[in-house]
Amino acid sequence: DTEVTQTPKHLVMGMTNKKSLKCEQHMGHRAMYWYKQKAKKPPELMFVYSYEKLSINESVPSRFSPECPNSSLLNLHLHALQPEDSALYLCASSPREGTNYGYTFGSGTRLTVV
Amino acid sequence: KQEVTQIPAALSVPEGENLVLNCSFTDSAIYNLQWFRQDPGKGLTSLLLIQSSQREQTSGRLNASLDKSSGRSTLYIAASQPGDSATYLCAASYNDMRFGAGTRLTVKP
Repeated sequence: DTEVTQTPKHLVMGMTNKKSLKCEQHMGHRAMYWYKQKAKKPPELMFVYSYEKLSINESVPSRFSPECPNSSLLNLHLHALQPEDSALYLCASSPREGTNYGYTFGSGTRLTVV
Repeated sequence: KQEVTQIPAALSVPEGENLVLNCSFTDSAIYNLQWFRQDPGKGLTSLLLIQSSQREQTSGRLNASLDKSSGRSTLYIAASQPGDSATYLCAASYNDMRFGAGTRLTVKP
């Protein structure tokens, strides 16, 4: 298995809702990442997990809460989002953090906040 | 500051042309340089990965080169096809990955 799987593919949520994005990989990668991408912009790093521990938090608002329950799974919990949080959320993995390995990206979750 | 720049921002070519996309990075202390393809509203598909010790990588009609000393990478696409139309992103790997803004390529039949 050489893929990163993200679910759901599309999500529409109200500003008072609580929802979660899920990311899964079975390549044995020990680094996993969340990126946010607005239309016609490059992906922006949000969080990095290395060996199931949060390694980098790029000053992301607390309404985004990441979780890494095991080495194959990465969640992003969403609560009280704003319309400007609407974007494509991308998950990626690599064998290790900060080394000369490439990243494998999932197909993303298109989030719309109404 | 570690910045990645891609030129041009957009490119339109007729089918069959050979083309070059450019990527430059300010900090040469990269682990690797990775080229991705992104179709509208989709995720990123890795095309080529060049390690810092390598000069180039090839896959089918694609060839990517890396010159660390000058902070540049190029992606060469031979005999372009309409199916190549997409946004191409380069990313330089440091402790995290820094992306360029992308080149939006349109190949006209």
